[in-house]
Amino acid sequence: GAVVSQHPSWVICKSGTSVKIECRSLDFQATTMFWYRQFPKQSLMLMATSNEGSKATYEQGVEKDKFLINHASLTLSTLTVTSAHPEDSSFYICSARDGTSGGGDEQYFGPGTRLTVT
Amino acid sequence: AQKITQTQPGMFVQEKEAVTLDCTYDTSDQSYGLFWYKQPSSGEMIFLIYQGSYDEQNATEGRYSLNFQKARKSANLVISASQLGDSAMYFCAMREGWGGGADGLTFGKGTHLIIQP
Repeated sequence: GAVVSQHPSWVICKSGTSVKIECRSLDFQATTMFWYRQFPKQSLMLMATSNEGSKATYEQGVEKDKFLINHASLTLSTLTVTSAHPEDSSFYICSARDGTSGGGDEQYFGPGTRLTVT
Repeated sequence: AQKITQTQPGMFVQEKEAVTLDCTYDTSDQSYGLFWYKQPSSGEMIFLIYQGSYDEQNATEGRYSLNFQKARKSANLVISASQLGDSAMYFCAMREGWGGGADGLTFGKGTHLIIQP
């Protein structure tokens, strides 16, 4: 089955620093990847849609200069949280759609990255 | 208005009983997809079942079935013969549009299901 990995699984950083989270599709090509954020005991909220080779599309209310997304290849998208603050502490989950499947609507989710900003 | 509504914040169910998790949705699109995911305490999102808006038959995947009532905009998840390992958060989600791949999912607030022995 389709596998999506994320790295790191968890990260603790100091306020004001930047953190990069990687999302990889391991056995398929992902033309589109999605980044979600989940605060404790809440639902997943779509942050942005990442398309290979083009700029990401951000949801309303998500600061594109703070959450930098790069989808440089068909198997890798990165999310960089710049100048992180404690309120950015959250569970960040990526998902990927198999662009070569010729059909199928399923999005495959990564295991998530837990970010804690101190 | 919320696009996905899950009215059951939490449920306790006896092991081996069937359980229905409610989900209603709101969209003006004719083409959309409905999903159910399971999220155990580890945080991973586990895909359970999918229903397309044009699918005439209810989707089934093993012990999971989706009771799709299009006119009522309802997409309830039914788990038959519940097991202790079914204890988790369950999220209903929707993809609006034709599904070309450009659309992320909108999630409901989830239902915390606890299976009791």
